[in-house]
Amino acid sequence: RKEVEQDPGPFNVPEGATVAFNCTYSNSASQSFFWYRQDCRKEPKLLMSVYSSGNEDGRFTAQLNRASQYISLLIRDSKLSDSATYLCVVIPFSGGYNKLIFGAGTRLAVHP
Amino acid sequence: SQTIHQWPATLVQPVGSPLSLECTVEGTSNPNLYWYRQAAGRGLQLLFYSVGIGQISSEVPQNLSASRPQDRQFILSSKKLLLSDSGFYLCAWSVEGYGYTFGSGTRLTVV
Repeated sequence: RKEVEQDPGPFNVPEGATVAFNCTYSNSASQSFFWYRQDCRKEPKLLMSVYSSGNEDGRFTAQLNRASQYISLLIRDSKLSDSATYLCVVIPFSGGYNKLIFGAGTRLAVHP
Repeated sequence: SQTIHQWPATLVQPVGSPLSLECTVEGTSNPNLYWYRQAAGRGLQLLFYSVGIGQISSEVPQNLSASRPQDRQFILSSKKLLLSDSGFYLCAWSVEGYGYTFGSGTRLTVV
């Protein structure tokens, strides 16, 4: 089983739609969780951290379910500029360094 | 502010040729440095990480090596490239293990 699994998509949605991505992780001791965004042929960039209580940043909402070992990202009122690949990222443990484990990504295509 | 530089942006190399990719960080001291590879259609795979000068840890057995000759310099090398070494190579840094920032990446094609 992969350490971090995501539905590769693509999710094709119209502008203004609400779309949700889920991601599951295998290590129950995982410490920290993030969503990164990666545009085509570019480096990943941090979108938001995921906190146990859930957190929101504008149109984006991230949630963590430790019992079921999954995190989610909800995007409301989708924009054309939201088209990208969204990477689920997990830090599996705390130590002298932090090693990010990346999912393969979920591709989102927002169309007019 | 902290910045990370990675070059070249693209590279086409023949099988069997050597490789050297360089990454430098500015505006911070003693960062943790990382090399990741992203194969086409796949997730990022951690290749090497370094917590200090001369300290290199390898995550997967492979045809590549890494070195950290200076605090803010991280180099990825190969003596003889294989076709399977093609991919998107990303350098990243963090301080105290948080706030990963990636360089702009090198797209390597081995032909």
